[in-house]
Amino acid sequence: AQSVTQLGSHVSVSEGALVLLRCNYSSSVPPYLFWYVQYPNQGLQLLLKYTSAATLVKGINGFEAEFKKSETSFHLTKPSAHMSDAAEYFCAVRSDTGRRALTFGSGTRLQVQP
Amino acid sequence: SAVISQKPSRDICQRGTSLTIQCQVDSQVTMMFWYRQQPGQSLTLIATANQGSEATYESGFVIDKFPISRPNLTFSTLTVSNMSPEDSSIYLCSVVSQGSGNTEAFFGQGTRLTVV
Repeated sequence: AQSVTQLGSHVSVSEGALVLLRCNYSSSVPPYLFWYVQYPNQGLQLLLKYTSAATLVKGINGFEAEFKKSETSFHLTKPSAHMSDAAEYFCAVRSDTGRRALTFGSGTRLQVQP
Repeated sequence: SAVISQKPSRDICQRGTSLTIQCQVDSQVTMMFWYRQQPGQSLTLIATANQGSEATYESGFVIDKFPISRPNLTFSTLTVSNMSPEDSSIYLCSVVSQGSGNTEAFFGQGTRLTVV
């Protein structure tokens, strides 16, 4: 079975500050890990994904995440927040074989203060 | 990549009625997934729809309530039957890319359903 825990349902940062959104996973098999962003009244957009290649993954809009197996973590970071980053962020996991559906975390709403 | 079109984008329905949501993909895909996102919540998998076989439902979801059709490799429908206000949610269609790596999931824009 797989699961994802996102710590912090709401995160607020100032514009220009570091963004850190936390994600811990549980998986009995090597996982694929994803971060998705959802803007108000829109669908999900893939930010980045880890698929057992490089542990530091760079995504769109300046976001990156580091896969740490020893900590079972896949935290999302961005050095400098922009107002347009305000959205809901979801971490998700799936196995590399068999079941292809994603298991999502509960989501983190990012607010960016001017 | 895959482009997914979902219809309708939103609807307001009377309790006791049914709504069918359509999902059209611009390429052939083996697996299609239907998720539900209740207000302020994360996404929960309803079922996996494979062409030529019965959909596989997750715990807590049944075919009588959420019948699914998958007539070909580019199209699927999800029906929300005998609706109640508790069914008010966003319903999303998703596919996994058929390309190299077969890792990325793509999502439609969702159908925002309000039951009154």
